Amino acid sequence: DIQMTQSPSSLSASVGDRVTITCRASQSITNSVNWYQQKPGKAPKLLIYAASSLQSGVPSRFSGSGSGTHFTLTISAVQPEDFATYFCQQGNSPPFTFGPGTKVDMK
Amino acid sequence: QVQVEQWGAGLLKPSETLSLTCGVSGGSFSGYFWSWFRQPPGKGLEWIAEISHSGTTNYNPSLKSRVTISVDTSRSRFSLKVTSVTAADTAVYYCAGHWITDSPSRWFDPWGQGTLVTVSS
Repeated sequence: DIQMTQSPSSLSASVGDRVTITCRASQSITNSVNWYQQKPGKAPKLLIYAASSLQSGVPSRFSGSGSGTHFTLTISAVQPEDFATYFCQQGNSPPFTFGPGTKVDMK
Repeated sequence: QVQVEQWGAGLLKPSETLSLTCGVSGGSFSGYFWSWFRQPPGKGLEWIAEISHSGTTNYNPSLKSRVTISVDTSRSRFSLKVTSVTAADTAVYYCAGHWITDSPSRWFDPWGQGTLVTVSS
């Protein structure tokens, strides 16, 4: 199985801050990484697919980059509704695996 | 816009069979691969299995011996069964779809609302 790691596991941010979350894959997966946002009691919401493509309806302050084994999700200016947990997921080959998550909370 | 609604029993005893169903509305059922996931309380997400409208399946090897995914294309539904459940199967279970494109990669949207399944004697 392809293992996904994320860093940091949590971070505190103020509204307007730039936030970057890193995801690493245990082997090269080209651009097959997706990013999700999850709020308590809710299903995950797709933000970014194929490493850098913005899902329809997602604000442009979210962006993704990377290829191979190293990927990043950036929120250019955090808004109050962005405080949540973020997961990366590899879609390269089954079983499709997720990172352990990064919790972003308010400083 | 495709919407997914899921249902099934939320409280099971050890050794019973978990059974959940997802219904799809508002769009093309056959244009997607359909998957099940689970998330134990306070933990991360685990992909369980996927199925196409024609019945092509993939399973997570960690659960494959106890899991069956099935599809009813005529009713735009797909289902999950997990046999011989234990407390370790307690989780929120989600269904979700992947729109089939030229890319072999998988990303998941839309998602069902989630069902908390608790296994307790």
